[in-house]
Amino acid sequence: GQNIDQPTEMTATEGAIVQINCTYQTSGFNGLFWYQQHAGEAPTFLSYNVLDGLEEKGRFSSFLSRSKGYSYLLLKELQMKDSASYLCAVTNTGGFKTIFGAGTRLFVKA
Amino acid sequence: DVKVTQSSRYLVKRTGEKVFLECVQDMDHENMFWYRQDPGLGLRLIYFSYDVKMKEKGDIPEGYSVSREKKERFSLILESASTNQTSMYLCASSSRELAEQETQYFGPGTRLLVL
Repeated sequence: GQNIDQPTEMTATEGAIVQINCTYQTSGFNGLFWYQQHAGEAPTFLSYNVLDGLEEKGRFSSFLSRSKGYSYLLLKELQMKDSASYLCAVTNTGGFKTIFGAGTRLFVKA
Repeated sequence: DVKVTQSSRYLVKRTGEKVFLECVQDMDHENMFWYRQDPGLGLRLIYFSYDVKMKEKGDIPEGYSVSREKKERFSLILESASTNQTSMYLCASSSRELAEQETQYFGPGTRLLVL
């Protein structure tokens, strides 16, 4: 079957670094997305990893290990506006479906 | 910028009513999706479409149907609304262009309450 696991909630302090982990089990893995979703709003694209390694984009970085079925999203220099849910999602080869995790709610405190 | 719009942000309906949720995208995307999002369950795929007049069942299609008569428009229909269909409904679209990497662009969502 297909399964994506990520922590339900995390809390971190403004200015700090936080790592949100995601593990997945899927057949025919193609790539992994991270989306950000603020409360009451639509998810928006953050990153996409296909190959193993770290992709850096400003304050956000995403890591993928295909052999371990593992990814993380790293947020540096946290700001209050980073308080949101972060969704891990996996795409499979040969299809159009994307499987989403339940999301991790991140609370950034002053 | 990709724009995906949904016909309503909030909707209140009664049990047994037929409900139409409309989604329009302006980027000529081939793929369109309907999800529902519930606390603790994440996004669950109801139906998707990869071309005009084509539709595929997602993970939870029961109680729903869809229509894609034009490329830019994908409609979700609740034939007879029930209270367990109270949820946030999100529409998304994506391109099959390799450069787009199947990134999905979401509409603002429709929060449906069935009484």
